[in-house]
Amino acid sequence: EAGVVQSPRYKIIEKKQPVAFWCNPISGHNTLYWYRQNLGQGPELLIRYENEEAVDDSQLPKDRFSAERLKGVDSTLKIQPAELGDSAVYLCASSLSLAGGSTDTQYFGPGTRLTVL
Amino acid sequence: AQSVTQLDSHVSVSEGTPVLLRCNYSSSYSPSLFWYVQHPNKGLQLLLKYTSAATLVKGINGFEAEFKKSETSFHLTKPSAHMSDAAEYFCVVSRPTSGTYKYIFGTGTRLKVLA
Repeated sequence: EAGVVQSPRYKIIEKKQPVAFWCNPISGHNTLYWYRQNLGQGPELLIRYENEEAVDDSQLPKDRFSAERLKGVDSTLKIQPAELGDSAVYLCASSLSLAGGSTDTQYFGPGTRLTVL
Repeated sequence: AQSVTQLDSHVSVSEGTPVLLRCNYSSSYSPSLFWYVQHPNKGLQLLLKYTSAATLVKGINGFEAEFKKSETSFHLTKPSAHMSDAAEYFCVVSRPTSGTYKYIFGTGTRLKVLA
């Protein structure tokens, strides 16, 4: 079974440019997460979807970040315009349960490493 | 609020010697705890998870962790390190929020295995 797929794996852009990341979760997983991982830190949640509904976007910087999950499967995370401080690894994860329980396991993709120059 | 503290940012061991990666948690109730491993340029992989069924949890690749409520610890161990164990390890607590749960990650421990 395929795991969580992300693309691109690497992206280098100039500041003020837009950028988008794509994620395809594990088949059948209802819940999808986007995380940002800064260098030397653990991942931090940006947004969580249950099917196509964003149920926790409290940590998403909404002035420049947006996300969508059309049809409750694939998801796209966009930054416009990018700033130097956005350089990080953006991770996508998925899990099976809706309204996840405390023991739900999240499965992570390889991430997209963004460098903003 | 629930959180985890990984006590060592870097750990070096020789191949064939035991591994100990330390994690302390803070929780107002019995938490769910996880250990993930992250190899360079790869996604996070679940090693094991504690769900209150048993305090000693066995995971993949020979790793195990023991939940000690009295010490609020969930340290990760392996009897004999292998070169392929070199990676970043994250301790995670599952925290209730808005009717569901979210992962709170520690800052990670980078394990180096010396030949």
